[in-house]
Amino acid sequence: SQQGEEDPQALSIQEGENATMNCSYKTSINNLQWYRQNSGRGLVHLILIRSNEREKHSGRLRVTLDTSKKSSSLLITASRAADTASYFCATDADGNNRLAFGKGNQVVVIP
Amino acid sequence: GEEVAQTPKHLVRGEGQKAKLYCAPIKGHSYVFWYQQVLKNEFKFLISFQNENVFDETGMPKERFSAKCLPNSPCSLEIQATKLEDSAVYFCASSQSITGHGYTFGSGTRLTVV
Repeated sequence: SQQGEEDPQALSIQEGENATMNCSYKTSINNLQWYRQNSGRGLVHLILIRSNEREKHSGRLRVTLDTSKKSSSLLITASRAADTASYFCATDADGNNRLAFGKGNQVVVIP
Repeated sequence: GEEVAQTPKHLVRGEGQKAKLYCAPIKGHSYVFWYQQVLKNEFKFLISFQNENVFDETGMPKERFSAKCLPNSPCSLEIQATKLEDSAVYFCASSQSITGHGYTFGSGTRLTVV
């Protein structure tokens, strides 16, 4: 089964606004990771949050993790046109043998 | 190096032909992963290696797909007798651990089967 399902699927915002996307998963995890994929490129690792952490920051990124609800959110503050990309969450819930990726969340930042 | 190098960037094969993709992981990363992405959607796990040993091959189609990671050589993913549905972007990634660190991805090989 697919671990990690992002919500909403597509988001279009104005430059300078904040973008929030969510991810849910089904089983217990050791950590959850967020990645960005620009068109035609590979995934770029953004942030990893461990199961005993509730919130983590990296530059304009803020990730939260709620293990009781089995969900995570990624917030991009003060968005820029360069943030236009697809964002994927990934968990190690799939038997701990690999990262399982969600379906992705497309974000378009309008200049 | 600090990047995962995948070659070629694009590959076109006629149905039934063989396709071979290469991946040079980051030095010092013990784990290599192959994923398949169809139509910019989800990433399907294919196979992982711990150094030159297969770690998990549960995602590999049994009959036509094979992969290797030999010492002092790029890793490779080979598809025998390609089918139209094999058209996808194949990504290789490497990491220091199986899931405890972020994966570093290559830019992918776009395989088009015609």
